[in-house]
Amino acid sequence: GEDVEQSLFLSVREGDSSVINCTYTDSSSTYLYWYKQEPGAGLQLLTYIFSNMDMKQDQRLTVLLNKKDKHLSLRIADTQTGDSAIYFCAETVYNQGGKLIFGQGTELSVKP
Amino acid sequence: KAGVTQTPRYLIKTRGQQVTLSCSPISGHRSVSWYQQTPGQGLQFLFEYFSETQRNKGNFPGRFSGRQFSNSRSEMNVSTLELGDSALYLCASSPAPTDTQYFGPGTRLTVL
Repeated sequence: GEDVEQSLFLSVREGDSSVINCTYTDSSSTYLYWYKQEPGAGLQLLTYIFSNMDMKQDQRLTVLLNKKDKHLSLRIADTQTGDSAIYFCAETVYNQGGKLIFGQGTELSVKP
Repeated sequence: KAGVTQTPRYLIKTRGQQVTLSCSPISGHRSVSWYQQTPGQGLQFLFEYFSETQRNKGNFPGRFSGRQFSNSRSEMNVSTLELGDSALYLCASSPAPTDTQYFGPGTRLTVL
């Protein structure tokens, strides 16, 4: 079945690294995404990874994919107070077009 | 390039009424998807349109419907509103159904 799980909260100090974790159940996932949502706003695409990749780096963001364990993580280096938001992991599944299946979201709080 | 636009941004309706929400995709994008976001259920897929055809539908009652026009703009309609329909409705566009989706700011619907 289709299910995406995330921990609900993460608190870090400014300047530290943040690691947000996600697990998914569908082995036919094609793309996996990370979106960011600030209060009162829509979803901002941060990055994505194709299911045949292990890692992707984009400036302060590093995505790691462990296909065997169906585990995805997002590392934010040098976390800033402006990174405080809710982060959603999402997957698309083969043969279901563009339907995105989202996790519950992880609320990241960055303390100065 | 302008992003995804959604109108109106806020709506207040009463139970039993109907509502129409509008979404204009990024120029050149032909695929539009709709999602409902609530605190209890999180982000759930409503439907996906491509070239004026509904390609995929989520698990929502028939009161939820949508359409797409020849210019790729999309509307969704909710009839006989219930209190539980209060949510943030998000529209996303992509060049084609399996491409990366970019979200609009959402329409906040409150049903009294």
